[in-house]
Amino acid sequence: GQNIDQPTEMTATEGAIVQINCTYQTSGFNGLFWYQQHAGEAPTFLSYNVLDGLEEKGRFSSFLSRSKGYSYLLLKELQMKDSASYLCAVNDDYKLSFGAGTTVTVRA
Amino acid sequence: IAGITQAPTSQILAAGRRMTLRCTQDMRHNAMYWYRQDLGLGLRLIHYSNTAGTTGKGEVPDGYSVSRANTDDFPLTLASAVPSQTSVYFCASSDSAGSTGELFFGEGSRLTVL
Repeated sequence: GQNIDQPTEMTATEGAIVQINCTYQTSGFNGLFWYQQHAGEAPTFLSYNVLDGLEEKGRFSSFLSRSKGYSYLLLKELQMKDSASYLCAVNDDYKLSFGAGTTVTVRA
Repeated sequence: IAGITQAPTSQILAAGRRMTLRCTQDMRHNAMYWYRQDLGLGLRLIHYSNTAGTTGKGEVPDGYSVSRANTDDFPLTLASAVPSQTSVYFCASSDSAGSTGELFFGEGSRLTVL
């Protein structure tokens, strides 16, 4: 969606940490999702935030600040299999809009 | 466990032809969606259905139609295909209407219109 911004590409080293930022503008915020999509495959759900704060799930964490229109996805202890596109999606008035995605490349 | 099944996986189509992309889910989810994914634009919603018998327009509905005769099936029809409809199409479902729940995606249908 045109109101969702995330970086196009990021590169990091195996074992490192990468933070993917997402900024958005909405009129009726009802939650923010992060999805992972490997090349040539379908997106798969990673996380959901509807209240401010940090949600941790294993090596992945997602943060939300509703007042700032800002979220980030934190990937820790990067593995080669984490090379994928990460999609930020925002529920605005009960319709989901996706950002263009951030392609993360993990190098050995 | 099948989840969501889309067909065909890939199709090359002449402009002006009619095409139906099939989508079937076995999770008894109420809500279903059709997205197209284009490089640099991300996923864009075409049509959705919050429950069997109802449909709604998404962000890019022109040139597409859908029907939801039952809970499991949500076909997408291109009445007269044009080259700009070349894309990867994803069907998705959710147990929550209004896009408040996790989406489960099919494997996608790659359509090329010449």
